[in-house]
Formats: sequence, C-alpha cells, structure tokens
Amino acid sequence: AQKITQTQPGMFVQEKEAVTLDCTYDTSDPSYGLFWYKQPSSGEMIFLIYQGSYDQQNATEGRYSLNFQKARKSANLVISASQLGDSAMYFCAMREGQNDYKLSFGAGTTVTVRA
Amino acid sequence: NAGVTQTPKFQVLKTGQSMTLQCAQDMNHEYMSWYRQDPGMGLRLIHYSVGAGITDQGEVPNGYNVSRSTTEDFPLRLLSAAPSQTSVYFCASSYGDRGEQETQYFGPGTRLLVL
Repeated sequence: AQKITQTQPGMFVQEKEAVTLDCTYDTSDPSYGLFWYKQPSSGEMIFLIYQGSYDQQNATEGRYSLNFQKARKSANLVISASQLGDSAMYFCAMREGQNDYKLSFGAGTTVTVRA
Repeated sequence: NAGVTQTPKFQVLKTGQSMTLQCAQDMNHEYMSWYRQDPGMGLRLIHYSVGAGITDQGEVPNGYNVSRSTTEDFPLRLLSAAPSQTSVYFCASSYGDRGEQETQYFGPGTRLLVL
C-alpha cells in the first residue's frame, strides 16, 4: 500500500495567488514526521517544511504552511502569494518511528505559476 | 560547508558495465542514504547507513551495493548495469540523532543512462 499519496499530478496557479498541494499518508506508527521538498527544473531537492506527529500547531516557514489534519491523515502544503520561482515539482515525504530516518515519498505534484 | 556532493553529474553506461556513484558530506552526519527517482514514482530508498561500518537495505536494493568505511563517504556501486537502472540517483544525509526533528539534506543528483 502507498504510504504517501499525492493525487494532483500537475497544477497551474496565477502569480500572487495561493495554491494548496494535497498529501495524504498511511501509517500505524504514533510517531512520524511529514516533510515537503521542492525540486526545481535544475533537479536539486530542497527541504521546505516539517510537521511532527505530536505537533499541536501547523508548521509555517515564510510563505509555506502545512495544513495538518491528523484524523484525516493529511498534510497539505499551502504556498501563499505564489511567485514565478515557485514553479517546480513538490514532494511530500514521511518518516515513521522515533529513530528511523528512512523517508517514503509521494509521486509529486508539478506546480506551474503563470504571470 | 560543501554540503552533500555527488559525482559524476551524468553518466552513460552499457548494459553489463559496473560503476560507482560517489557521495560525500562534510557536515559530520551519521545517517546517509541513496534514493533513485523515476518518473511518476517519486524517490525510492535503495540503501542507507546509520554510521560508519553499518549499512542496510531499503525498498529497492537489488543490483546495488554500498559500503561505509568513513563517516564522510557513502559510495553506491552498480554491479552489472541494466537498462532498468536508468534513473536519477540522489544521496542524502542527516545528523542521525535529532529524533522527530531530523531533516535530510540531498545532494545534486547523478543522472544515469544505461543503454
């Protein structure tokens, strides 16, 4: 079974608007971490934001925020005030267990920001 | 800090050839791992290491070999290249002692084409 599901293969967003990227996860471990990475066309993987399973508040990092709904097992990434430089592939990933650092990745969502 | 470095950036192999993908980090990270990225499938874990002298298999280990003789280096060996190993390979590292906050940092990737 897929541990991370990203159902949106591609999305278009107008510059300066917000966009939400969906991510659902599947785990029975009470301790886990959720990550979002950005992969621009140059190919590198850039860490964006992290949410721990025990965190009471949604994580935020600048224009990135994570809408964490634990009961629904979803961890959607919200990018506010989109910029042309936000055009990239975005991956949701999960780590399970307190001391297990292996990551499971979703298939990714391509975001294209239009001027 | 150079961070995580990978060489080569691009390689073309013929079926049956062997080669080693190099990965090095200068952040004194204990945890290192190799992923492969294929279209529509996100990243999948090949092998990982929790410290020098300790390695273990990930999700897709067949056809690959690793060793970890030093903290800094984690080479990935293709024993007999096959077209199915055409992919982009990423090396990642992290401290290995940050619990839930552990964040992995990725190298720039190696594009491998097996003919």
